[in-house]
Amino acid sequence: GESVGLHLPTLSVQEGDNSIINCAYSNSASDYFIWYKQESGKGPQFIIDIRSNMDKRQGQRVTVLLNKTVKHLSLQIAATQPGDSAVYFCAENMGSNTGKLIFGQGTTLQVKP
Amino acid sequence: DAGITQSPRHKVTETGTPVTLRCHQTENHRYMYWYRQDPGHGLRLIHYSYGVKDTDKGEVSDGYSVSRSKTEDFLLTLESATSSQTSVYFCAISESGGLAYEQYFGPGTRLTVT
Repeated sequence: GESVGLHLPTLSVQEGDNSIINCAYSNSASDYFIWYKQESGKGPQFIIDIRSNMDKRQGQRVTVLLNKTVKHLSLQIAATQPGDSAVYFCAENMGSNTGKLIFGQGTTLQVKP
Repeated sequence: DAGITQSPRHKVTETGTPVTLRCHQTENHRYMYWYRQDPGHGLRLIHYSYGVKDTDKGEVSDGYSVSRSKTEDFLLTLESATSSQTSVYFCAISESGGLAYEQYFGPGTRLTVT
């Protein structure tokens, strides 16, 4: 079946550096993508989303890039802070109106002081 | 957690017993979802609801049933719990099932089936 995958299970960065978390998706019909952050013992928290008619969207310290040609999604975090340490998931809405999301496996971001 | 509560937060039960998890929202959102989260599998959709008494299956629905008798509550029932259902269960809500409406997640319920 269709799936969303992440390139790296763990990413370690120095505090203050920029982080880039990648995600590959396989369903060309997907039209909406979301990035979630999950801290230990908590539920996933919405970070930023992007529609398929966009290539880039910026939030506070975060940017999501969408490359539909290669079915690739990335989350960029500027000036990474210790509080950014968490597991990050990408998710795709596969074009239905049910809001059903398919989640990737997740990437653990570790921020070194 | 966007006005979402889950109960219980932790539960240990024996194989073969029935278990019901509750999700309660105060946002009056139409859509509600139940996921399970396991190492190596990420979040997988069990069942979802698109209105009172309107539910449908997700990708891992076997062994689970749901009910939604009012907007604010979505119940997940394991009729006869098995060890493979040991997991962390998350409820989520969404204002709309269409495009560009994100899901908000509850704090989760950790279920252990012995």
